[in-house]
Amino acid sequence: DAEITQSPRHKITETGRQVTLACHQTWNHNNMFWYRQDLGHGLRLIHYSYGVQDTNKGEVSDGYSVSRSNTEDLPLTLESAASSQTSVYFCASSEGSGGRRWNEQFFGPGTRLTVL
Amino acid sequence: AQTVTQSQPEMSVQEAETVTLSCTYDTSENNYYLFWYKQPPSRQMILVIRQEAYKQQNATENRFSVNFQKAAKSFSLKISDSQLGDTAMYFCAFMREQGGSEKLVFGKGTKLTVNP
Repeated sequence: DAEITQSPRHKITETGRQVTLACHQTWNHNNMFWYRQDLGHGLRLIHYSYGVQDTNKGEVSDGYSVSRSNTEDLPLTLESAASSQTSVYFCASSEGSGGRRWNEQFFGPGTRLTVL
Repeated sequence: AQTVTQSQPEMSVQEAETVTLSCTYDTSENNYYLFWYKQPPSRQMILVIRQEAYKQQNATENRFSVNFQKAAKSFSLKISDSQLGDTAMYFCAFMREQGGSEKLVFGKGTKLTVNP
């Protein structure tokens, strides 16, 4: 079955370290998204991509970067981790236009990141 | 920019009773989509129901229904015959109709507890 996976599921790191969170989907979806979830804030969009080589900044992109070298993967990198980036991170994907007016976003299981 | 407001941080209901979760949003768009997502303790994001703004008829999915008031920019979720498995965080979300762009804007969530 097609799916979207994230790894690792849990990670603890130290302030200043570079961290990369992986997201992999097997639906061949064009669109991929990264959100962070914090108490009192819901989910907020970090970065998104509409296809290979395309990346865009979301609402809370400072301190994060992404790259899209293939359809299946959108890794999220924290260049220099900060305690304010302690959060739960969700990756999501959707089909893209495909002639439809909207497409459902399918979410990964999330990665809990703790920055000490 | 669009905003989504959920004014009830927490709610509780007795099993088999009905509960309504509130959501308001702000947008200048005429065409858009609204969603309710469920996040149980497993952290998985699950789409519960969606509403197209151009449709006057309220969406229903089994025990879940919405009251969509476009002029008032209100989008409430009614859960009938509540079950213990409905215990979860519920997020209201907004999506502009942009032909495949599909960025979601989330509210802060309502924590629903169903008591036996």
